[in-house]
Amino acid sequence: AQKITQTQPGMFVQEKEAVTLDCTYDTSDPSYGLFWYKQPSSGEMIFLIYQGSYDQQNATEGRYSLNFQKARKSANLVISASQLGDSAMYFCAMRELISNFGNEKLTFGTGTRLTIIP
Amino acid sequence: EPEVTQTPSHQVTQMGQEVILRCVPISNHLYFYWYRQILGQKVEFLVSFYNNEISEKSEIFDDQFSVERPDGSNFTLKIRSTKLEDSAMYFCASRVTGGWEQYFGPGTRLTVT
Repeated sequence: AQKITQTQPGMFVQEKEAVTLDCTYDTSDPSYGLFWYKQPSSGEMIFLIYQGSYDQQNATEGRYSLNFQKARKSANLVISASQLGDSAMYFCAMRELISNFGNEKLTFGTGTRLTIIP
Repeated sequence: EPEVTQTPSHQVTQMGQEVILRCVPISNHLYFYWYRQILGQKVEFLVSFYNNEISEKSEIFDDQFSVERPDGSNFTLKIRSTKLEDSAMYFCASRVTGGWEQYFGPGTRLTVT
């Protein structure tokens, strides 16, 4: 069974500073993928970034980067130059293969509530 | 850019009533999912659907739940007799064959009173 752990229930960061949100995972599958989603107060799930287990380089998307340390089973999200609009709930998730037809499901962590202070 | 849509955005129902939550996945996607998020908690997998049948369901997805693709565009989640603990945000998601990203809809907030 898969497990995703986010140990920071809440974080407060000064505007324009960088922030790292922690995520560790546990799986016995050699092939997996890790996601980060942002959930603002309005409730929708916004995809931020994805890292495949076989990807050689850490994923980056604009101000978001994923610090992927496979041996330590961690996939931390780094947000550079934080903005007030970054205040939201952030979820780490892992994809798990669930059938022979290429079907998958996502397992989510408990999330980190990030608050950016002006 | 194509997106997953869900209706209604918010539904209030009385305990014991049946509800149907509707989703329109992205048109060329073949894998469909429902997830649930109880207020303040993490997102939980409910069910996946492929080739007109359920391919996986969680222990949450008991006999009160059912899913259907009634036509070529809609994907529905039915709760037969709602309970107070069914109050949650329900997300529909879809994925293209060979792709890794599940595209989430905006969610339906279900309130059972």
